[in-house]
Amino acid sequence: QKEVEQDPGPLSVPEGAIVSLNCTYSNSAFQYFMWYRQYSRKGPELLMYTYSSGNKEDGRFTAQVDKSSKYISLFIRDSQPSDSATYLCAMINTGGFKTIFGAGTRLFVKA
Amino acid sequence: DSGVTQTPKHLITATGQRVTLRCSPRSGDLSVYWYQQSLDQGLQFLIQYYNGEERAKGNILERFSAQQFPDLHSELNLSSLELGDSALYFCASSVSSGVSTDTQYFGPGTRLTVL
Repeated sequence: QKEVEQDPGPLSVPEGAIVSLNCTYSNSAFQYFMWYRQYSRKGPELLMYTYSSGNKEDGRFTAQVDKSSKYISLFIRDSQPSDSATYLCAMINTGGFKTIFGAGTRLFVKA
Repeated sequence: DSGVTQTPKHLITATGQRVTLRCSPRSGDLSVYWYQQSLDQGLQFLIQYYNGEERAKGNILERFSAQQFPDLHSELNLSSLELGDSALYFCASSVSSGVSTDTQYFGPGTRLTVL
């Protein structure tokens, strides 16, 4: 079993929809949780970063962490065609130096 | 543009060969990370250097090695290449040591094709 599980999709939604992207994990030592966005033929870029459980909002993006369920989510409100990309979740354990990435979910937002 | 540069963009070579990938971090960043991204394995952490010293090691094969030079650029050496080494190789950089919660800025990647 992989440490981090993420449905690769693809996920196709109409413009303006609310998108929900999720990851589950098995290592309870993970404390730092991130979401990266990767456009085709580009490197990943950090979107959201949260520590431990809770919610964090940044514009149209909301990241949620539920450590009791070992489950993290990224919500995108009012999705735009420019949001079409692969979204990767990533996690780091306490005192660790290694970032573990999910497989990435491909998102298509149709105009 | 993240400020991280990688060369070459594309590399095509044959099995058994050796190649070197190069990365220049963002100005002021002391840490460099190498990742491999393939369709079946996703994005895998290989190795991290901080200010010239190896800081953390991930799923890096013995056939692969890396180093960080005094000017902070880094090279990833891949030898005895196999078909399965075909992948995108990303370099990322961050400001500090290796509290890896630092934001990592990724370069555009090098696409390696082994024939």
